[in-house]
Amino acid sequence: DIQMTQSPSTLSASVGDRVTITCRASQSISRFLAWFQQKPGKAPKLLIYKVSNLESGVPVRFSGSGSGTEFTLTISSLQPDDFATYYCQQHNSYPWTFGQGTNVEIK
Amino acid sequence: EVQLVESGGTLVQPGGSLRLSCAASGFIFGSYGMNWVRQSPGMGLEWISYISNSGSTIYDVDSVRGRLTISRDNAKNSLYLQMNNLRDEDTAVYYCAREGSSGSLDHWGQGTRVTVSS
Repeated sequence: DIQMTQSPSTLSASVGDRVTITCRASQSISRFLAWFQQKPGKAPKLLIYKVSNLESGVPVRFSGSGSGTEFTLTISSLQPDDFATYYCQQHNSYPWTFGQGTNVEIK
Repeated sequence: EVQLVESGGTLVQPGGSLRLSCAASGFIFGSYGMNWVRQSPGMGLEWISYISNSGSTIYDVDSVRGRLTISRDNAKNSLYLQMNNLRDEDTAVYYCAREGSSGSLDHWGQGTRVTVSS
């Protein structure tokens, strides 16, 4: 199985900060990498698919980059609505696997 | 508007059985692969099973194989998860999710909670 490792596990930041979350795969997953946002008690929401493609309706302050085994999610200017947990997920091969999550909290 | 609505979650004893349902609307259900993803209390997300649009192809994770079985009825626009021989570690919120044209999980239901406890 492909292991997905996110860092950091928790990130404390302020409104307006630039935030970067890293996701590392245990083997190459080409560009089959998605990012999700989840708020407490809610279902995950797709933000970015295939590394860098913004899902419809997602603000442009979110961006993704990377290839192979190293990927990043960047929020260019953190907004109050962005405090949540973020997950990366590979869909290169089954079983699909998620990172353990990064909790973005208010500093 | 795409909608996925799960149901069937409840409290069940270890070793028991349960069937979860996911009712789909707002899209051509028979054209999309579907998935179940679960989240244990306070934990991360775990993908558990996929079924192709026709139902002819199924993938699942080792930890559920032989106990949790995905199926679908395209005539009823419904996805199912038959859960047998349930264990404490199956306690979770179960989400159904659509595999979009990008190959990603682009729409999710609100989840249904399964608690396995004596």
